[in-house]
Amino acid sequence: EPEVTQTPSHQVTQMGQEVILRCVPISNHLYFYWYRQILGQKVEFLVSFYNNEISEKSEIFDDQFSVERPDGSNFTLKIRSTKLEDSAMYFCASSEGAGGYTFGSGTRLTVV
Amino acid sequence: AQTVTQSQPEMSVQEAETVTLSCTYDTSENNYYLFWYKQPPSRQMILVIRQEAYKQQNATENRFSVNFQKAAKSFSLKISDSQLGDTAMYFCAFRSPETSGSRLTFGEGTQLTVNP
Repeated sequence: EPEVTQTPSHQVTQMGQEVILRCVPISNHLYFYWYRQILGQKVEFLVSFYNNEISEKSEIFDDQFSVERPDGSNFTLKIRSTKLEDSAMYFCASSEGAGGYTFGSGTRLTVV
Repeated sequence: AQTVTQSQPEMSVQEAETVTLSCTYDTSENNYYLFWYKQPPSRQMILVIRQEAYKQQNATENRFSVNFQKAAKSFSLKISDSQLGDTAMYFCAFRSPETSGSRLTFGEGTQLTVNP
């Protein structure tokens, strides 16, 4: 069964540093997403991406965040200057369109 | 904006018994999708079951079934013959099909523990 692959599985970074989280969506999917889950809380939408541009973003997704699909297979989330409150599990997901998503296994980001 | 509410933060059940997790949602739309996701300790998000709002028949996947009450905006998950591997956090989620690629809105989750 096709999978969404995320790397790394765990990243530790110092406050103020830039971090890039990487995802390889399912190859025939057209829509890509990033979600965030702070420990013990619910999963929150960050951004959706279609046709090489952002289609929707939440209020969490401020100027510190950016997404990119640099080479037709990878989908990245960049946090420019990390804060302690950015520590969370970050999930990438992809979908064909309507219906359900396939989630990756997540990247645990720890900001120290 | 849509909201999803799971009013049971924690539940427990004995192995082999049946348990029902509750979910309610609020929307003004007539057509939409509802999902239950399972998140085990590994924290991976695993799709358990989905329901299209235009379908009157309740979805079923092996030991998992839903009770979808559209008028009441209720979407409960029933797990039959509970197994130890069912221990996980369960999230109810809503998605509007009005625009393809729309976001999932999650509830707060219910931590289910299956006891031997």
